Amino acid sequence: EIVLTQSPSTLSLSPGERATLSCRASQSAGNLVAWYQQKRGQAPRLLISHAFTRATGVPARFSGNGSETDFTLTISSLQPDDFAVYYCQQRFAWPLTFGGGTKVEIK
Amino acid sequence: QVQLEQSGAEVKKPGASVKVSCKVSGNTLSELSIHWVRQAPGKGLEWMGGFDPEDTKTIYAQKFQGRVTMTEDTSTDTAYMELTSLRSEDAAVYFCTTGGYKWEYILNWFDTWGQGTLVTVSS
Repeated sequence: EIVLTQSPSTLSLSPGERATLSCRASQSAGNLVAWYQQKRGQAPRLLISHAFTRATGVPARFSGNGSETDFTLTISSLQPDDFAVYYCQQRFAWPLTFGGGTKVEIK
Repeated sequence: QVQLEQSGAEVKKPGASVKVSCKVSGNTLSELSIHWVRQAPGKGLEWMGGFDPEDTKTIYAQKFQGRVTMTEDTSTDTAYMELTSLRSEDAAVYFCTTGGYKWEYILNWFDTWGQGTLVTVSS
């Protein structure tokens, strides 16, 4: 099983600041990693697929990078709507796995 | 555009079973690869299983093997997830989600989600 470890668990930032979230895989996941955003009481929303491809309608301030075992989600300038929990997920191998999540909170 | 509508909240006793439904609209269930993900209160996302388009079969996470069954009723475009022998740790919100189309022969990303179904397990 590919274990995904996200860091930090919580990121406290102010609107306008840059957020950098990390997702590390216990073994290679190729580029088959996605990022999801989840707000309280809502279903997750796909942001990034294939490590760096923005999903339809996702603002350009969201960008993904990485391959193999190290992946990064960057939010270039945090907007009020971006404070949420972010999860990475791999579909390189069964079972599908998610990271534990990073909460981006307002400082 | 595909939409997924899930059944309402359930309260079950330990040892009982729960069956959650996921109604597809905007497309036909027979074309879609449906998966189930759950989220315990205050916790992260946990994949339970779903349709593998490459091997054309339903695959379950080992943790749930023997306790979970995922089925489809194509006549009503409704997918089901049944979990048996419920315990307190199964209390969670259960989501259905689409992993692309069966005819793609490869699993895709989870781009459409149901609203979630809260399952409470309490004696």
